[in-house]
Amino acid sequence: GEDVEQSLFLSVREGDSSVINCTYTDSSSTYLYWYKQEPGAGLQLLTYIFSNMDMKQDQRLTVLLNKKDKHLSLRIADTQTGDSAIYFCAESTDRGSTLGRLYFGRGTQLTVWP
Amino acid sequence: GAGVSQSPSNKVTEKGKDVELRCDPISGHTALYWYRQSLGQGLEFLIYFQGNSAPDKSGLPSDRFSAERTGGSVSTLTIQRTQQEDSAVYLCASSLWGGGNDEQYFGPGTRLTVT
Repeated sequence: GEDVEQSLFLSVREGDSSVINCTYTDSSSTYLYWYKQEPGAGLQLLTYIFSNMDMKQDQRLTVLLNKKDKHLSLRIADTQTGDSAIYFCAESTDRGSTLGRLYFGRGTQLTVWP
Repeated sequence: GAGVSQSPSNKVTEKGKDVELRCDPISGHTALYWYRQSLGQGLEFLIYFQGNSAPDKSGLPSDRFSAERTGGSVSTLTIQRTQQEDSAVYLCASSLWGGGNDEQYFGPGTRLTVT
């Protein structure tokens, strides 16, 4: 569970939808997460999805999981300037010695233009 | 407390000196994690505590790094003989019981700069 890849940058106009993509390699991944990090702040959990689900919606956030392709995406509807931040994809497993340990992607810097 | 706190928020040290970073987890959380965030390596896991025990130390980059946790609460990460490549933001997180779907709450981090 060590290879989690994300694109580094995304720019969108305010009001548009943002889609941040992530791929992972560990087929034993059980949980997949999206975290948000604003400048000078710690990581904030936005949402997570179990690996046996293919979609989860939470207000403006939609998470899609394609387990076959090991592809995860986060869609933010009606993106606002306050959504500008770094978004991290992460995965963990509930088995073995790495229980609970999070493996992170490098983060996607989302910039929202007014 | 209201959240995970870490101290100091910033630390500048000279190469070769030892540093101690402190983490106060959320009261009642049995699991505690240390991560490191650096430009070159992204966010890396360092060590995990369950209570005062560390069942997973596999992320510690060298024997200059050590950590302890006392009373099932406060944790200290110690870096001996600091090197410039140790410069990073050190993040601490805690969770209720440490399971795979147990939300980890992160502190604001300690920014370490080794000159």
